[in-house]
Amino acid sequence: AQSVAQPEDQVNVAEGNPLTVKCTYSVSGNPYLFWYVQYPNRGLQFLLKYITGDNLVKGSYGFEAEFNKSQTSFHLKKPSALVSDSALYFCAVRAHNFNKFYFGSGTKLNVKP
Amino acid sequence: NAGVTQTPKFQVLKTGQSMTLQCAQDMNHEYMSWYRQDPGMGLRLIHYSVGAGITDQGEVPNGYNVSRSTTEDFPLRLLSAAPSQTSVYFCASSSIGGIAKNIQYFGAGTRLSVL
Repeated sequence: AQSVAQPEDQVNVAEGNPLTVKCTYSVSGNPYLFWYVQYPNRGLQFLLKYITGDNLVKGSYGFEAEFNKSQTSFHLKKPSALVSDSALYFCAVRAHNFNKFYFGSGTKLNVKP
Repeated sequence: NAGVTQTPKFQVLKTGQSMTLQCAQDMNHEYMSWYRQDPGMGLRLIHYSVGAGITDQGEVPNGYNVSRSTTEDFPLRLLSAAPSQTSVYFCASSSIGGIAKNIQYFGAGTRLSVL
């Protein structure tokens, strides 16, 4: 079975501080991993993906994520948070030989000035 | 660029009514999918398609039908609406090859209430 867990419903950080949004996954075989962001009343927007290669993936708006195969994790990070980063963040997984995407429950990021 | 277009944006139904949520994409993507978003549950896959004439079930297909007669369109039909189908529905599309492989592009969503 494939699944994604985002253990934190909400993450609060101060502007300028580093942020981490956690994601762990379960998949049969090698994973494709993704992060998406959702602003209020909008559809999801792609941030970054891991397919293969370097474990550290860089994406849009200064975000990056680190793939850790032994811990089956794909945490989203940013060195310095902005108030405009406040949004709902989703982690997603798909197995290489499977056509279904599975999303986590989402983490609300609040960045305070 | 239009991207993925969903209609309608809002809909209120009575229990037992049927309706079709429309989804169209202009990016020539092979893969299209429907999700529902419920609080605390993230997005759950309803149905998906890897090309015209090919559809398959996702995690929560019961109560929903789909068809894919063209590459561009992927409508979602509710045959007999139930209050449990109150949700926000998103359509997404992606390429199955090339540099943008597997990156899903989402529509703006349809907010459905079933009374």
